[in-house]
Amino acid sequence: EIVLTQSPGTLSLSPGERATLSCRASQTVSSRYLAWYQQKPGQAPRLLIYGASSRATGIPERFAGSGSETDFTLTISRLEPEDFAVYHCQQYGGSPWTFGQGTRVEIK
Amino acid sequence: QLQLQESGPGVVKPSETLSLICNVSGGSISSSTYYWGWIRQPPGKGLEWIATIYQTGRASYNPSLESRVTVSVDTTKNQVSLKLTSVTAADTALYYCVRRRVAAALGWFDSWGQGTPVTVSS
Repeated sequence: EIVLTQSPGTLSLSPGERATLSCRASQTVSSRYLAWYQQKPGQAPRLLIYGASSRATGIPERFAGSGSETDFTLTISRLEPEDFAVYHCQQYGGSPWTFGQGTRVEIK
Repeated sequence: QLQLQESGPGVVKPSETLSLICNVSGGSISSSTYYWGWIRQPPGKGLEWIATIYQTGRASYNPSLESRVTVSVDTTKNQVSLKLTSVTAADTALYYCVRRRVAAALGWFDSWGQGTPVTVSS
């Protein structure tokens, strides 16, 4: 099983700042099969990024994914008020498909 | 537009069996393109994939739950079902019905229901 570890647990930032979220895998995620989701309170997760760096339909350009093998990053270039949420990474390179524990981005 | 709507008992007693149903509308369970399944999220914690199933009934399970979980499809009703036996407090969570493409390269979860809360309590 691939264990995904997200850091930091909580990121306190102001609107307009840059957010950098990390997702580290316990073993190589094949073919960069890594996704990122955004989850707001009371809502289901929403797909942001797939294939480590491809934005899902309708996702703003300020969201960017990068990385390979065991180290992946989600960058939000300039935080908008609606971006304060919890972000989850997920690998789909091998079963069981696993998620990180989430990073909360909160308003400072 | 695809909609996934979960339903369940809300509260289940310890050692009993949890049964959930996901009604799918705006799309067909019989599609050859997709798996259907379940993910859960305990309060304040991360997401855990439980199981997925294909229209033929072929299922994949998370090894951590496999001994207690059964998923099934009813193509006539366009429903996916989950049964989890011998529940404990650790099974208290929000349970989501989800969809993902069959192709491995497209294996993210692209549709989610709103989730149904389950509390295990006597």
